[in-house]
Amino acid sequence: EAQVTQNPRYLITVTGKKLTVTCSQNMNHEYMSWYRQDPGLGLRQIYYSMNVEVTDKGDVPEGYKVSRKEKRNFPLILESPSPNQTSLYFCASSLWATARMNTEAFFGQGTRLTVV
Amino acid sequence: KQEVTQIPAALSVPEGENLVLNCSFTDSAIYNLQWFRQDPGKGLTSLLLIQSSQREQTSGRLNASLDKSSGRSTLYIAASQPGDSATYLCAVIRQGGSEKLVFGKGTKLTVNP
Repeated sequence: EAQVTQNPRYLITVTGKKLTVTCSQNMNHEYMSWYRQDPGLGLRQIYYSMNVEVTDKGDVPEGYKVSRKEKRNFPLILESPSPNQTSLYFCASSLWATARMNTEAFFGQGTRLTVV
Repeated sequence: KQEVTQIPAALSVPEGENLVLNCSFTDSAIYNLQWFRQDPGKGLTSLLLIQSSQREQTSGRLNASLDKSSGRSTLYIAASQPGDSATYLCAVIRQGGSEKLVFGKGTKLTVNP
């Protein structure tokens, strides 16, 4: 089954304690990205990756890091979480539109993060 | 800057009614438009993808149309059911740049038995 898997689904942590949210896809997609969803603000892109070792900032990258060492994995790292990073996080993947072919984006089930 | 607007923000209908959800975007230079469904606290489920060269897509009781020139898309749901209750999101990928999805804030649909 084609899917994007995030872990953990729920996480409560304290300010300043480093954490990693994992994301894995089994569709051999080149393009992966992270979004956060906040009430009234909708979904905003944090970081994206066009392929292995190629990453770039999205709209709200401050306080986050990512890496893309393997095609299937795209972890989101919060080096020193703060309460304003409390949010619902989504990982997504799709084929990279190198030929400008339109492709469908697949989303993980989300990670609800609370930073106290 | 691409902006996506969804109207109405919330909609409540009786079971069996046909309904239309609206999505508008400011920049017509898009690759595609995708409709999603989100249940409370859950992930996004892709419903329909309309490529920029297409005018509509259908899946079961759902039909989505796209008018690029006017910057509009509609999602038509036929014979609505209580199980259709969810938030519906539309998103576009703008040509050029990071190919990120730009989302509307969604329409929260409630179908009453």
